[in-house]
Amino acid sequence: EVQLVESGGGLVQPGGSLRLSCAASGFTFSSYWMHWVRQAPGKGLVWVSRINSDGSSTSYADSVKGRFTISRDNAKNTLYLQMNSLRAEDTAVYYCAREQTDYDFWSGYPYNWFDPWGQGTLVTVSS
Amino acid sequence: SSELTQDPAVSVALGQTVRITCQGDSLRSYYASWYQQKPGQAPVLVIYGKNNRPSGIPDRFSGSSSGNTASLTITGAQAEDEADYYCNSRDSSGNLHVVFGGGTKLTVL
Repeated sequence: EVQLVESGGGLVQPGGSLRLSCAASGFTFSSYWMHWVRQAPGKGLVWVSRINSDGSSTSYADSVKGRFTISRDNAKNTLYLQMNSLRAEDTAVYYCAREQTDYDFWSGYPYNWFDPWGQGTLVTVSS
Repeated sequence: SSELTQDPAVSVALGQTVRITCQGDSLRSYYASWYQQKPGQAPVLVIYGKNNRPSGIPDRFSGSSSGNTASLTITGAQAEDEADYYCNSRDSSGNLHVVFGGGTKLTVL
């Protein structure tokens, strides 16, 4: 079964740090780009960061750039998100997700999709 | 960076057809994908690309696209389809970022 399991969430004070992990199983982890997506309480999904299959390329949303670092250990089938200088507005459920891409043969349009998603881990930033 | 816009809420009578839309400049270059999220659960992929359904997703779910608008159609909505629905695509600015719509709360009456 293809599965992603996040861990590492919890309560942290503003300015603190936390490292999230996402354990992958049931697929060849090293072949896929991976992402972190978050969801603040009662709000929508917001993309946070992505990493390519061998870890050589990363991207971040402007809201976390310079504070968060995405990484992966393909030998351990694990994705990470190191979160520093945490703020109250970082409070959210953090999901990891596997990305796949393809293109439509007839139109040439590319597309991406996220499947599966982990169950999420809650990060609460509060004093 | 790109943005995707969805109506915050839509309602449909049981058994009727409903269309949920997603607008954005990136949709002129990319097809959207769609996710269903029920309270307390992780999102689930329901449509990807032009109109592809993952295994296990009922065929009452379908996707379409025109210009800068992508649509998710549920034909014969069921009570279990009541959920939040999100669209996503790659950012068209070439930065390899990803963008999600703000989500649509679907109520089945």
